[in-house]
Amino acid sequence: GESVGLHLPTLSVQEGDNSIINCAYSNSASDYFIWYKQESGKGPQFIIDIRSNMDKRQGQRVTVLLNKTVKHLSLQIAATQPGDSAVYFCAVNFIAGGTSYGKLTFGQGTILTVHP
Amino acid sequence: DAGVIQSPRHEVTEMGQEVTLRCKPISGHDYLFWYRQTMMRGLELLIYFNNNVPIDDSGMPEDRFSAKMPNASFSTLKIQPSEPRDSAVYFCASSTLYGYTFGSGTRLTVV
Repeated sequence: GESVGLHLPTLSVQEGDNSIINCAYSNSASDYFIWYKQESGKGPQFIIDIRSNMDKRQGQRVTVLLNKTVKHLSLQIAATQPGDSAVYFCAVNFIAGGTSYGKLTFGQGTILTVHP
Repeated sequence: DAGVIQSPRHEVTEMGQEVTLRCKPISGHDYLFWYRQTMMRGLELLIYFNNNVPIDDSGMPEDRFSAKMPNASFSTLKIQPSEPRDSAVYFCASSTLYGYTFGSGTRLTVV
């Protein structure tokens, strides 16, 4: 079946370092990708998204890279801060039957810990 | 914009009791999703609606689970009877085609 997975379940970095969180997906027809941040006791919070017609998108301190050839997605966080500590999920929208919308499928999550 | 509003935030109930979780989506969002999150299984999509109509309920674990969306501003997820293995955080999310927003979740504990 379809799957979305993460390469690293945990990531520890020092404050000020750059962080890279990775995600692999299996369906080459996927057309929309989102990164979410979830802090303890809260719901997933949208960080950044990218559509399949792009390979890079930048936000404030975050960059998402999409490599459709190898079906890989990454989130780069620049100058990581203690407030960035959270669980990060990638989510993928799968196209089904030619329709442009399908259900969002989440990866397992990566725990990012930022040490002061 | 108040975002997606879920109630209650916490629910503790005894096994066998009926539980009803509530969600108010963001106005103008025509998709509504119910997710369940556990440590073992992560985020699982239970059901989603488009324009108040259930589109895919293949993630609903058993007949004990049911969901309704009587209008564009309200949805419920009901578990009857509840069991300890239903303990989880239940999230509601709403979206337009590209704008997914989650609520703060309901933490359900069935004892």
